[in-house]
Amino acid sequence: AQKITQTQPGMFVQEKEAVTLDCTYDTSDQSYGLFWYKQPSSGEMIFLIYQGSYDEQNATEGRYSLNFQKARKSANLVISASQLGDSAMYFCAMREGWSGATNKLIFGTGTLLAVQP
Amino acid sequence: KAGVTQTPRYLIKTRGQQVTLSCSPISGHRSVSWYQQTPGQGLQFLFEYFSETQRNKGNFPGRFSGRQFSNSRSEMNVSTLELGDSALYLCASSLGREETQYFGPGTRLLVL
Repeated sequence: AQKITQTQPGMFVQEKEAVTLDCTYDTSDQSYGLFWYKQPSSGEMIFLIYQGSYDEQNATEGRYSLNFQKARKSANLVISASQLGDSAMYFCAMREGWSGATNKLIFGTGTLLAVQP
Repeated sequence: KAGVTQTPRYLIKTRGQQVTLSCSPISGHRSVSWYQQTPGQGLQFLFEYFSETQRNKGNFPGRFSGRQFSNSRSEMNVSTLELGDSALYLCASSLGREETQYFGPGTRLLVL
């Protein structure tokens, strides 16, 4: 069964520094998608970045980049130049099943990031 | 373009009652999924709808049901509420079934 593991319950980072949030996944599917979402205390899940299993380049979106290591089944999120507004819960998620079969996302337990001034 | 909207944002019910939550997807999005988030169980998938058809269902009891209308708006219903149903219910929409899902602000349900 597909599974997402986030081993860092909480992390601190100094403002303007970079931080890496870890995510490993387990799946037997050849085609899958990996996502990172940010959830501030307000509750809304904000999409950050997506990586397809067949994408050869690591995904980047502004200050966010995804360090995708397929052989190790890891999809770590790197946030560069942290800002106070980055303080939130971060979830790694995987779209289950072969391409087109479902939109169901499996989420990890999340990492609570605190950015310190 | 307006984002995903969910109503109501907050709800307090008592055990045994039923509740209906509503979700309006981003304009043009045809796929709607629902998730339940609790401190103990984390984020769990409830249902997925596409073009008014339920395409996938999570491991929840039959008290949880949903539907999607022709305008892609979706509702979920929970009957005979239990204390454990207290949660943040999140709705997400996407253009299709392989597209990125965008979430609404959620409905916080408290069952007393």
